[in-house]
Amino acid sequence: KAGVTQTPRYLIKTRGQQVTLSCSPISGHRSVSWYQQTPGQGLQFLFEYFSETQRNKGNFPGRFSGRQFSNSRSEMNVSTLELGDSALYLCASSLEVWCHTFGSGTRLTVV
Amino acid sequence: QKEVEQNSGPLSVPEGAIASLNCTYSDRVSQSFFWYRQYSGKSPELIMSIYSNGDKEDGRFTAQLNKASQYVSLLIRDSQPSDSATYLCAVTHGSGNQGGKLIFGQGTELSVKP
Repeated sequence: KAGVTQTPRYLIKTRGQQVTLSCSPISGHRSVSWYQQTPGQGLQFLFEYFSETQRNKGNFPGRFSGRQFSNSRSEMNVSTLELGDSALYLCASSLEVWCHTFGSGTRLTVV
Repeated sequence: QKEVEQNSGPLSVPEGAIASLNCTYSDRVSQSFFWYRQYSGKSPELIMSIYSNGDKEDGRFTAQLNKASQYVSLLIRDSQPSDSATYLCAVTHGSGNQGGKLIFGQGTELSVKP
């Protein structure tokens, strides 16, 4: 059974640019959540999508957005990148709410 | 006060001992509680979930929940060096179906010495 697939694994962007990260959940999982992990703040919830609808949202600025497609795949977008956006971005898929299987993450570096 | 608090550790225990990891949370209406394990350089993986007061056992792991004290713990019996990792406590805030989110603690680093 395939796990959660995140692409790309690594990304280097310049301040002011935008970035799109992709996540393919486990087959049959309709809930996809996104998290930001940094050494200082730990794991922080960004948003959760279920059946193409954003169901829950964390306390991040509007520069962070996402969407989910009909096949449950999800994308996350960050516009006008700041140095502080450098982090590991983790996607998690769930059959039961909050019982996550995490992907390997995308390591974003903003320079 | 942080919403979910854990001792950062490191917590060091000898092989074969019981490791006790603790977590307190601030939101009295939290409904669901989870323990995730994260090895260095890897993603978190779910090891336990608990929803009602009391103990829940799964193999060498026991999760304990006391909602009145807003306290959740994880016991690892017969600790092995392979248990060395960071353990993350996670607590729901709000409803999972609308307006909810999962709040993680900063994690407790566990080191099991052979």
